[in-house]
Amino acid sequence: AQKVTQAQTEISVVEKEDVTLDCVYETRDTTYYLFWYKQPPSGELVFLIRRNSFDEQNEISGRYSWNFQKSTSSFNFTITASQVVDSAVYFCALSLGYGQNFVFGPGTRLSVLP
Amino acid sequence: DSGVTQTPKHLITATGQRVTLRCSPRSGDLSVYWYQQSLDQGLQFLIQYYNGEERAKGNILERFSAQQFPDLHSELNLSSLELGDSALYFCASKNGNYGYTFGSGTRLTVV
Repeated sequence: AQKVTQAQTEISVVEKEDVTLDCVYETRDTTYYLFWYKQPPSGELVFLIRRNSFDEQNEISGRYSWNFQKSTSSFNFTITASQVVDSAVYFCALSLGYGQNFVFGPGTRLSVLP
Repeated sequence: DSGVTQTPKHLITATGQRVTLRCSPRSGDLSVYWYQQSLDQGLQFLIQYYNGEERAKGNILERFSAQQFPDLHSELNLSSLELGDSALYFCASKNGNYGYTFGSGTRLTVV
């Protein structure tokens, strides 16, 4: 069975600090996709990034960066110079293949204080 | 606007009642997924439809059912509602190779 763990339930940082959200996944499949979604207080789920199991290249996009390491089954997400608008619940999710449903982690609530 | 439309946005109903949640996927998307987000269970996959046919089932209760119509919109029917069914229900559609787009959700409150 697949499982996604986000050990950090809540994180509080002060604006402009860097923050890393941890995600550890479990699957026996060799082909899978990993996602990060953001859920702001308004409630919608906003797509941030997708990575497949064959692409361990890490990426930086503006203030966001991702660190995918198959050796440790981790897919961590970093926000650099956090802003108040980054306050949200962040979900890591796993999908086993094209068109397959997600298994979501429990989420990490990030509060960025001014 | 994500392109995935869910109605209604909010729904308040009494225990024992039946409700129908509606989802219209992004134009051209054939797959529809339903998820339930509750405080105690988190985000859970309920059911998937592809071009009118059921493709996968998750933790969906027998009191719940869904269908996808020829115009590709989908409905999730919840019956004999209990207090514990209060949750945010999301619909998502899959767009080609890029990824999944979620609707803004329907918040169901059972009183």
